Amino acid sequence: SQKIEQNSEALNIQEGKTATLTCNYTNYSPAYLQWYRQDPGRGPVFLLLIRENEKEKRKERLKVTFDTTLKQSLFHITASQPADSATYLCALQSGAGSYQLTFGKGTKLSVIP
Amino acid sequence: DTEVTQTPKHLVMGMTNKKSLKCEQHMGHRAMYWYKQKAKKPPELMFVYSYEKLSINESVPSRFSPECPNSSLLNLHLHALQPEDSALYLCASSQGPWGLDEQFFGPGTRLTVL
Repeated sequence: SQKIEQNSEALNIQEGKTATLTCNYTNYSPAYLQWYRQDPGRGPVFLLLIRENEKEKRKERLKVTFDTTLKQSLFHITASQPADSATYLCALQSGAGSYQLTFGKGTKLSVIP
Repeated sequence: DTEVTQTPKHLVMGMTNKKSLKCEQHMGHRAMYWYKQKAKKPPELMFVYSYEKLSINESVPSRFSPECPNSSLLNLHLHALQPEDSALYLCASSQGPWGLDEQFFGPGTRLTVL
């Protein structure tokens, strides 16, 4: 069966350090992978999209990598700040031409001042 | 305008009530989605509309009835809900109809069924 695993339910890091979140998947052949941020009681906010033929993508302090051989994406936040504290969700397209985005359970990041 | 709006923000209803959730976007997006999210769980897709036609219904019970009156509006009609239907209901939209773009989410409607 298809699975998306974000292997840390919660991650605490010190302000200024780099946070690294992991997303692993099985039995998918996603064309692309997305990362979202969700604050409590709010809708997810899109952060980055990376396609299967891209190894790395950056946006300001954010970096995402995508390894289709390892079936893994890493999401990095450099110089982390308390305002980065939130739940981060990875999401995969379920199939070719599919409208369906399936989300992982998320990692709750807490950046400690 | 890069916003998806949802009304109401909160809704409390009894099991015999009929209510509707509304979602609106003015970004010209061609796909619109309803998701259900329970506490500490990821969003789960319920319905997808593409070019105002229902494209995906993820085996959602008939007590949830979606409607897309035009390209900017999406409704979710609720009838005879159960307490386990209490959740955050999220609307989203994306530019293209093929699910290959980022999705823009609204703030959600917090639904409580008594």
